[in-house]
Amino acid sequence: EAGVAQSPRYKIIEKRQSVAFWCNPISGHATLYWYQQILGQGPKLLIQFQNNGVVDDSQLPKDRFSAERLKGVDSTLKIQPAKLEDSAVYLCASSLGREQFFGPGTRLTVL
Amino acid sequence: AQSVTQPDIHITVSEGASLELRCNYSYGATPYLFWYVQSPGQGLQLLLKYFSGDTLVQGIKGFEAEFKRSQSSFNLRKPSVHWSDAAEYFCAVMYSGGGADGLTFGKGTHLIIQP
Repeated sequence: EAGVAQSPRYKIIEKRQSVAFWCNPISGHATLYWYQQILGQGPKLLIQFQNNGVVDDSQLPKDRFSAERLKGVDSTLKIQPAKLEDSAVYLCASSLGREQFFGPGTRLTVL
Repeated sequence: AQSVTQPDIHITVSEGASLELRCNYSYGATPYLFWYVQSPGQGLQLLLKYFSGDTLVQGIKGFEAEFKRSQSSFNLRKPSVHWSDAAEYFCAVMYSGGGADGLTFGKGTHLIIQP
């Protein structure tokens, strides 16, 4: 069974630029999560989707971050404009029940 | 708000020695508890989970954890560590309610294995 796929794996941008990350969950998983992991910290939930609806986005900085999950499958997370403090690994996870399966992450460096 | 505390930022253990990583969570309704491991450049891999029932749970790679409600703890143990166990370990909690079931993670414990 294929795992959670994410791309790109690495991205370097200048501050104030925009960036987008893509996630393809495990087939059949209705729930999709985006987490932000800053160096030296544990992952922090940004947003949770159930199919193509948002369940929880209370920790998403909505002035610069946006996410969508079209057709209840793939998802994109966008940052516009990026700030230095957005440098982190962005992890996507999917689940069918209570167990979440994580992708390899996208490492973002903002210069 | 729910929280998870991993009091040890770094732990150094000799290969073959026993290991215990500590985890405490904030009190709330019945939590679902998890331990994940993250190797450099890798995603998170689930070691074990506790939902209900027997408070001693077995996981992959020889790890086990014990849920103690009275202490709000879910400590991870391994009787004999291997050099390949060197990694970052994260404890996480989920409080399921209203459909929102994202994980809250601790800050992690970095495990170093001495030869």
